Amino acid sequence: EAGVAQSPRYKIIEKRQSVAFWCNPISGHATLYWYQQILGQGPKLLIQFQNNGVVDDSQLPKDRFSAERLKGVDSTLKIQPAKLEDSAVYLCASSFSGANTGELFFGEGSRLTVL
Amino acid sequence: QQPVQSPQAVILREGEDAVINCSSSKALYSVHWYRQKHGEAPVFLMILLKGGEQKGHEKISASFNEKKQQSSLYLTASQLSYSGTYFCGTEKSYNTDKLIFGTGTRLQVFP
Repeated sequence: EAGVAQSPRYKIIEKRQSVAFWCNPISGHATLYWYQQILGQGPKLLIQFQNNGVVDDSQLPKDRFSAERLKGVDSTLKIQPAKLEDSAVYLCASSFSGANTGELFFGEGSRLTVL
Repeated sequence: QQPVQSPQAVILREGEDAVINCSSSKALYSVHWYRQKHGEAPVFLMILLKGGEQKGHEKISASFNEKKQQSSLYLTASQLSYSGTYFCGTEKSYNTDKLIFGTGTRLQVFP
């Protein structure tokens, strides 16, 4: 079974530029999450989708971050404009029916460096 | 509210035991445990549900004290492969489906 796919693996940009990350969850997984993991910290939930609807985006800095999950399958996370503090690994995770019933499957992440 | 883990770091020799704790200031429905090796994605270890029993898998087990809003992860007879950072993830209620990860505990096992 294919895992959660993310791209790009690495991205270096200058502040005020924009960047987009893509995630393809495991086939059949209805719930998709984007987490931000700053070096040395635990993953912080940015947004959670159930199929193509947003369940929770309370921690998403909406003035610069946006995310969509068209057709309830793959998802894109965009940052525009980027700030230095956005340097982090962006992890995408998916689950069959949500965290309360079992595990989240994580992708390898997209490492963003903002200069 | 992010759960707090203790200790922040543990250094062990192979065969030694360790306990990692996870505490929340809010009532919890479930606690998840994940392990993340350097540069890799977090990998699921186990989930403990409110009202459930202590769980285990090989030499790694965990308990969940609902009244104290705490969970502990027990690593017995540690192996080199246990090295990594351990995160607990907590859910406040069944309907939130929202996993908040803790501060993390770095575990290093040496031969």
